[in-house]
Amino acid sequence: GNSVTQMEGPVTLSEEAFLTINCTYTATGYPSLFWYVQYPGEGLQLLLKATKADDKGSNKGFEATYRKETTSFHLEKGSVQVSDSAVYFCALVYGGATNKLIFGTGTLLAVQP
Amino acid sequence: NAGVTQTPKFRVLKTGQSMTLLCAQDMNHEYMYWYRQDPGMGLRLIHYSVGEGTTAKGEVPDGYNVSRLKKQNFLLGLESAAPSQTSVYFCAVLQGVLATDTQYFGPGTRLTVL
Repeated sequence: GNSVTQMEGPVTLSEEAFLTINCTYTATGYPSLFWYVQYPGEGLQLLLKATKADDKGSNKGFEATYRKETTSFHLEKGSVQVSDSAVYFCALVYGGATNKLIFGTGTLLAVQP
Repeated sequence: NAGVTQTPKFRVLKTGQSMTLLCAQDMNHEYMYWYRQDPGMGLRLIHYSVGEGTTAKGEVPDGYNVSRLKKQNFLLGLESAAPSQTSVYFCAVLQGVLATDTQYFGPGTRLTVL
């Protein structure tokens, strides 16, 4: 079946460090892939997405490339800030016309000054 | 966030009580979803709707019912609450109808069942 696997957190980094959060998926076909971010006490916000193989999604300095050959969609940022502290969720869409999302378990990022 | 609101923000229930959570959108989108978020498990789909008058089961539908009588509103009901339903509940609206479109989430309802 369809599934998303994320690296477990928490991930603790110092400000200006390089960030990678790994995400791999299992799915039939080539689903659209998403990264959502959840700041403390808030709902989920779309961070970026990619809708086909080799696409790169980017937003706010974050990037992720849709790698079909490795079924991965790793999230990266060159220099994190304290304000990036949040939970990050990788997700894929499945279910044909119903466009349902399946999420990874989330990765907590804590950035220290 | 596509104008998605949820009511209430917080609620405490006793086992066996009932309640209804309301999700409302201020646009005219067809697809709406209810998820629950539990520690270490990400978000899981409870029920969803692809248009007014339609509903369907998601991954974890047991103990919940839903209705979509008006296009703008998607209601999630708990008929007899159980402690296992303690969770944070999120509603989402799909901005479009394609698999490449984005789901936008409401701010959530934190429910505690004692």
